[in-house]
Amino acid sequence: GEDVEQSLFLSVREGDSSVINCTYTDSSSTYLYWYKQEPGAGLQLLTYIFSNMDMKQDQRLTVLLNKKDKHLSLRIADTQTGDSAIYFCAESRGTGRRALTFGSGTRLQVQP
Amino acid sequence: EAQVTQNPRYLITVTGKKLTVTCSQNMNHEYMSWYRQDPGLGLRQIYYSMNVEVTDKGDVPEGYKVSRKEKRNFPLILESPSPNQTSLYFCASSSGQGRVEETQYFGPGTRLLVL
Repeated sequence: GEDVEQSLFLSVREGDSSVINCTYTDSSSTYLYWYKQEPGAGLQLLTYIFSNMDMKQDQRLTVLLNKKDKHLSLRIADTQTGDSAIYFCAESRGTGRRALTFGSGTRLQVQP
Repeated sequence: EAQVTQNPRYLITVTGKKLTVTCSQNMNHEYMSWYRQDPGLGLRQIYYSMNVEVTDKGDVPEGYKVSRKEKRNFPLILESPSPNQTSLYFCASSSGQGRVEETQYFGPGTRLLVL
């Protein structure tokens, strides 16, 4: 995903907050998503945000969108060892093709 | 249980030997898609299908074929695999209604090694 960039790795301690960042380049992106991939598994949709929103909260997850800077972040409160996974941000331009453009993924490691 | 299944999960083959990776969904979804995942590149779309007999190219279609004869199945065909097709492949499906909350369900992945 050269259009969507993420840092490769994040390590946090159990109970701390994790913040995973993502930048995208296409201002026509309509929806932005966060997916979680656990080892040996497919991708699980965690949450999404529409491009006209600034923030969305869903239990321990908070998504912040800065449309001016094309910056998206995912905050996980009270991070648990079960949150260890690779997190992908993805954008959709809402076209008929409905393809998602993914970032390269951020590996989150939670230390007990 | 609603799911997307792929077979095989792991495959080692040699250059030029035709192979098919099957994908099946039990959710009566109209939209199906294939992605490949490579280190540092995230997932890239290979082909997609909006409905039966309707398929189109994604971002990286070269070297692949697909078919959609039935709603539930969307096989990925590599007529003459090459080493650069060594990758992790994901099939995905969604209802196709285009709502924002519509989620794409992903299969467990097929890890392919072409020697």
